Amino acid sequence: NAGVMQNPRHLVRRRGQEARLRCSPMKGHSHVYWYRQLPEEGLKFMVYLQKENIIDESGMPKERFSAEFPKEGPSILRIQQVVRGDSAAYFCASSPLGEDEQYFGPGTRLTVT
Amino acid sequence: DAKTTQPPSMDCAEGRAANLPCNHSTISGNEYVYWYRQIHSQGPQYIIHGLKNNETNEMASLIITEDRKSSTLILPHATLRDTAVYYCIVRVAGSSNYQLIWGAGTKLIIKP
Repeated sequence: NAGVMQNPRHLVRRRGQEARLRCSPMKGHSHVYWYRQLPEEGLKFMVYLQKENIIDESGMPKERFSAEFPKEGPSILRIQQVVRGDSAAYFCASSPLGEDEQYFGPGTRLTVT
Repeated sequence: DAKTTQPPSMDCAEGRAANLPCNHSTISGNEYVYWYRQIHSQGPQYIIHGLKNNETNEMASLIITEDRKSSTLILPHATLRDTAVYYCIVRVAGSSNYQLIWGAGTKLIIKP
């Protein structure tokens, strides 16, 4: 059973460009969570999604950030007009319906130049 | 804010047991203790969780004090591959309580 997949693993964007981060949950998992991690810090919750539904986006900045989890295909975290402060590792996790353990992907490291 | 406190770093000799403490003095009766670890540049890995009884799995043991205000994660025979940051997290179980609130964790270094 493949684990949580994230791509790309590394992404470099210039200020003002858009960043798209993809997450494919584990097979059979319908819950997806996105977290952001700055260097030397713990993860910070951003958004929780189920298929075609945003359950909680309270941790996501109101501007420039958006997330989706369509009926088909991976979950996408989109950052528009990136700034240097967006440079971080972005982790996706998934869980089965009603289960507690979240299983994490390898992360996408975004660098904004 | 994280509801747990952990030492920032610890060393342990290879082959010995690594005991990682965690204080959670404000834990509620329905909150579980979860442990994750993050090896450098990788995604966090679930280790174990428990409510009040001690728990053991193939990776580790979790010892929770009777008053539930602290716990210890035990890696029985540490190897160099166990070098990582270990996070202790408390949360109410159930799919409606999904947010994991992460502190700074303990950086465990296993020395040969």
